[in-house]
Amino acid sequence: EAQVTQNPRYLITVTGKKLTVTCSQNMNHEYMSWYRQDPGLGLRQIYYSMNVEVTDKGDVPEGYKVSRKEKRNFPLILESPSPNQTSLYFCASTLGGRQPQHFGDGTRLSIL
Amino acid sequence: QKEVEQNSGPLSVPEGAIASLNCTYSDRGSQSFFWYRQYSGKSPELIMSIYSNGDKEDGRFTAQLNKASQYVSLLIRDSQPSDSATYLCAGEKGNYQLIWGAGTKLIIKP
Repeated sequence: EAQVTQNPRYLITVTGKKLTVTCSQNMNHEYMSWYRQDPGLGLRQIYYSMNVEVTDKGDVPEGYKVSRKEKRNFPLILESPSPNQTSLYFCASTLGGRQPQHFGDGTRLSIL
Repeated sequence: QKEVEQNSGPLSVPEGAIASLNCTYSDRGSQSFFWYRQYSGKSPELIMSIYSNGDKEDGRFTAQLNKASQYVSLLIRDSQPSDSATYLCAGEKGNYQLIWGAGTKLIIKP
C-alpha cells in the first residue's frame, strides 16, 4: 500500500529537549515536504526536498532542521524545541509535476 | 494579500443541496490547482485536481477554474453530512510546491 508514515503520532515534551519526527514514503517520490498547521493559519511549509541531499527552506523554517540522506526518508529535527512550536505537523510527498501531494497521518507535538 | 484566499466559513448547507466553495489566487503563473478535504485532526486528502479553464466533474464533485479571473471553485452536489469538513484550496507555484489557502469549514445540516 502506497503511504507516507510519520512517527510519533503524538508527543508531549519539554522546552529544549531535542526531538526528531520521522517521515518515510514507499512511493519512490523525489519531492518531500514538511508542513505545520495551526488554527486559522492553514498549512505552512517548513522545509522541502527535491531529491536526496537537496533541501530548501519553506515559509517558516526557523527552529527546524531537516535532512534527506535517502530518497524514502525525510526527518524533521527540532534541536531546541520551544512552546511556539506546539502544532500539528504533516509530512507529504509527490511524484512532482501535476501530481497531488500524499500526506502522512500527522504528528501532534506539544512543547511545554 | 494572501496568495491563495478562501472564506473561512463556516458555510452551512442543508443536506441534499449544492455546496459551493470558492478560492481566489494572486499568482498568474499558477497552472495547477487542487482541492483537499480535511476532517478535524486528520490529514488532508485529495478531492479534485484541475489544470485547464472550465469544469471538471468527478461524481458529486465539480471543480471550476477561471484563469482570467483567477478563481477556483468546488461544487458538491447532493451534499451529505459526511461532507462536513474543512476544504483546502492549493495552487502550484513551481518546484512542486503548493500554496495553500487557510480552508473553508463546511457544515452539512441534516
